[in-house]
Amino acid sequence: DVKVTQSSRYLVKRTGEKVFLECVQDMDHENMFWYRQDPGLGLRLIYFSYDVKMKEKGDIPEGYSVSREKKERFSLILESASTNQTSMYLCASFGSGGFRYNEQFFGPGTRLTVL
Amino acid sequence: DQQVKQNSPSLSVQEGRISILNCDYTNSMFDYFLWYKKYPAEGPTFLISISSIKDKNEDGRFTVFLNKSAKHLSLHIVPSQPGDSAVYFCAARNFGNEKLTFGTGTRLTIIP
Repeated sequence: DVKVTQSSRYLVKRTGEKVFLECVQDMDHENMFWYRQDPGLGLRLIYFSYDVKMKEKGDIPEGYSVSREKKERFSLILESASTNQTSMYLCASFGSGGFRYNEQFFGPGTRLTVL
Repeated sequence: DQQVKQNSPSLSVQEGRISILNCDYTNSMFDYFLWYKKYPAEGPTFLISISSIKDKNEDGRFTVFLNKSAKHLSLHIVPSQPGDSAVYFCAARNFGNEKLTFGTGTRLTIIP
């Protein structure tokens, strides 16, 4: 079965800390995404990557960066965490063809709290 | 600019009745639409989708209807079950674009 895993389910960090969120998929998908989910705002795209070492800004990239050194792994980095980055972070992957094309597969999410 | 809108933040339905969740979009270039279901503390899971060349797609208790002229889609769940209680997101994409644009979600509560 398809699987997207995220490094932590819950994370508590302090303002100003550097935060790494990691995502791994086992489906050999080219495309990977980072979203954040906030009440009343739905899922908003932060960054996505369509290939190794390739990245594109989503709708809300400010305060974030990403890294994709290997096809299966996509990392989200908060360079200096702030309280307004407290949120649920969701990783997704998507294949460009084949079985279940068009469907993004999501990880379980990381609930990040910045104090 | 919210290109995909779910105007009802919440909906309560009696068990066994029909649940109807609505979604409106503004971008006429969207050609594929998806519904995702999300339980608390879990990632969204794909539910059902529809291409713009169709106006209806059915999968068991779930049916999605697309009205392109009105830029409106709806998800029907019949009969509604307690396990259907979740947040439902609609999403849309352009042909050849890997990005999905999500709505703000509707929290569905099924009352036993």
